Amino acid sequence: QSVLTQPPSASGTPGQRVTISCSGSSSNIGSNSVYWYQQLPGTAPKLLVYSNNQRPSGVPDRFSGSKSGTSASLAISGLRSEDEADYYCATWDDSLSGPLFGGGTKVTVL
Amino acid sequence: EVQLVESGGGLVQPGRSLRLSCTTSGFTFGEYPMTWVRQAPGKGLEWVGSIRTKPYGETIEYAASVKGRFTISRDDSKNIAYLQMNSLKTEDTAVYYCLRGRKNLDYWGQGTLVTVSS
Repeated sequence: QSVLTQPPSASGTPGQRVTISCSGSSSNIGSNSVYWYQQLPGTAPKLLVYSNNQRPSGVPDRFSGSKSGTSASLAISGLRSEDEADYYCATWDDSLSGPLFGGGTKVTVL
Repeated sequence: EVQLVESGGGLVQPGRSLRLSCTTSGFTFGEYPMTWVRQAPGKGLEWVGSIRTKPYGETIEYAASVKGRFTISRDDSKNIAYLQMNSLKTEDTAVYYCLRGRKNLDYWGQGTLVTVSS
């Protein structure tokens, strides 16, 4: 059971905005940067957002991250069929002395 | 272009050992800590362990689930990170990924499947 809590699923129609939450605690999200990864079916995860709200080069600006206190969220605007994937939040945990991953959210485009 | 390529996975019996390699290119390997993460079939991501760089004494940290059984090492002359897995259990069955970084995990390899079964 992950200490970072994500909803198991989220969905939307093409063009809609979908938001995924990630809830943690003071020892992880509350004191460290949050990362988001996208895992397309059958592939390795790929970095989508780093340092809470920064996008690596090549990631569309439809993806945006935010953080407040001990929670973070990823928003996907203008949802597209190719956005169907599992999304994971991650951050460093000071108690674990290691990175911690959320349980993942499966996004379905209806 | 940053590349990480895992190898060494396969089918192994419970109690046996296996060594995974992560061959890298496209960046100065010795300047980055390296991390291993695994994903059991149909499950989420689990941190396995991380190794820091030489200036930080190549300090290694492990998840409780593998501590005492798994060993991470690195060879900066070959740009390779290793994961030595001993006393394997069925619950170690997973795709194993190597990642660049420790707190800032940016690049992932494609993963290698380890199946522990009799």
